[in-house]
Amino acid sequence: KNEVEQSPQNLTAQEGEFITINCSYSVGISALHWLQQHPGGGIVSLFMLSSGKKKHGRLIATINIQEKHSSLHITASHPRDSAVYICAVGYNTDKLIFGTGTRLQVFP
Amino acid sequence: DVKVTQSSRYLVKRTGEKVFLECVQDMDHENMFWYRQDPGLGLRLIYFSYDVKMKEKGDIPEGYSVSREKKERFSLILESASTNQTSMYLCASSLFETQYFGPGTRLLVL
Repeated sequence: KNEVEQSPQNLTAQEGEFITINCSYSVGISALHWLQQHPGGGIVSLFMLSSGKKKHGRLIATINIQEKHSSLHITASHPRDSAVYICAVGYNTDKLIFGTGTRLQVFP
Repeated sequence: DVKVTQSSRYLVKRTGEKVFLECVQDMDHENMFWYRQDPGLGLRLIYFSYDVKMKEKGDIPEGYSVSREKKERFSLILESASTNQTSMYLCASSLFETQYFGPGTRLLVL
């Protein structure tokens, strides 16, 4: 069974800092997802990637298939980035296996 | 935009009650999911449905059942609620591996 591990579990940062959240998995996958959950519960999908790198605004996601590792970077962090960031992996089905999440707090 | 709605944001029930949580999606997705989310454990799959009247157990189906009579609606049923079912329940639908989540229902069982 695939295990998905995220680090760190909790992260605090000052506004403007560069942030990195890591995700590793144990078995080959078809795609890796990064999701964001704001206080109140709603979860939104940020990225789905199977190789290389994707960028959306200040968010960058990378994946290294050989090392079974992905990173989510946030440049010029802002208090509105405060959320739980969740890594999930899929393997040719729509079912995903989720990590336990990284709680990020960005202070002004 | 895909919209996934859940019948309640907050729910308080008593031990032994039968509880219905409903989820509706408006994008004609075939796949729908019910998860529970607990601190430190992440999202855990309760049940999965890949078509009308088709369902598959997830990782933690005990104490739960589901119903999918129409494509857009996926219901989670707690046959006899217990205090260890106090949790956040999230519904999702999916297309091409991307999942779209509802806002969640926070259930408290007293």
